[in-house]
Amino acid sequence: SQQGEEDPQALSIQEGENATMNCSYKTSINNLQWYRQNSGRGLVHLILIRSNEREKHSGRLRVTLDTSKKSSSLLITASRAADTASYFCATDSNYQLIWGAGTKLIIKP
Amino acid sequence: DVKVTQSSRYLVKRTGEKVFLECVQDMDHENMFWYRQDPGLGLRLIYFSYDVKMKEKGDIPEGYSVSREKKERFSLILESASTNQTSMYLCASISSGGDTQYFGPGTRLTVL
Repeated sequence: SQQGEEDPQALSIQEGENATMNCSYKTSINNLQWYRQNSGRGLVHLILIRSNEREKHSGRLRVTLDTSKKSSSLLITASRAADTASYFCATDSNYQLIWGAGTKLIIKP
Repeated sequence: DVKVTQSSRYLVKRTGEKVFLECVQDMDHENMFWYRQDPGLGLRLIYFSYDVKMKEKGDIPEGYSVSREKKERFSLILESASTNQTSMYLCASISSGGDTQYFGPGTRLTVL
């Protein structure tokens, strides 16, 4: 079952700009995670935010969580060509993760 | 450094063939997962295993079976491959106390 829905489906920006992706979910969660997938490869964990947290930073990544709206956003600042990838949010349920369809991010040089 | 490996990056099989996809993790994780990923659909859980010889159906188990004879190895079996099983298959593992799933590089399976 798919719980997370990322928005937008695709995003194209210039290198150096900030990229914002959103994720909405349906049921209550313990945590929400963001993963990155480079073309044709496996997924790599980026950041996890717990349900009692509102904001979290990791390098150029900033994640927010609004449990009242059941939504999260991922901000990548000062984007680089290497950030070109698909980004997925996932919510937890008994060691399983429920995934959205992803946002495809393209960074133009 | 954590590692999840999958037996093949690319695989081409014919309709009706029996297909084995293998996944090995070296982190002593109890829980292992098989997903398939299709454009616009995200990751869909096929099966998961929370211990040796234990398995649970995910959201789309039809046409698949799994085997977990050893803790580090989780195999996905397509008994009779069909063209609608052409997809990217991803294996992942997580420890029982962990939050993060670790993924293998994926196997892109094409069934002709």
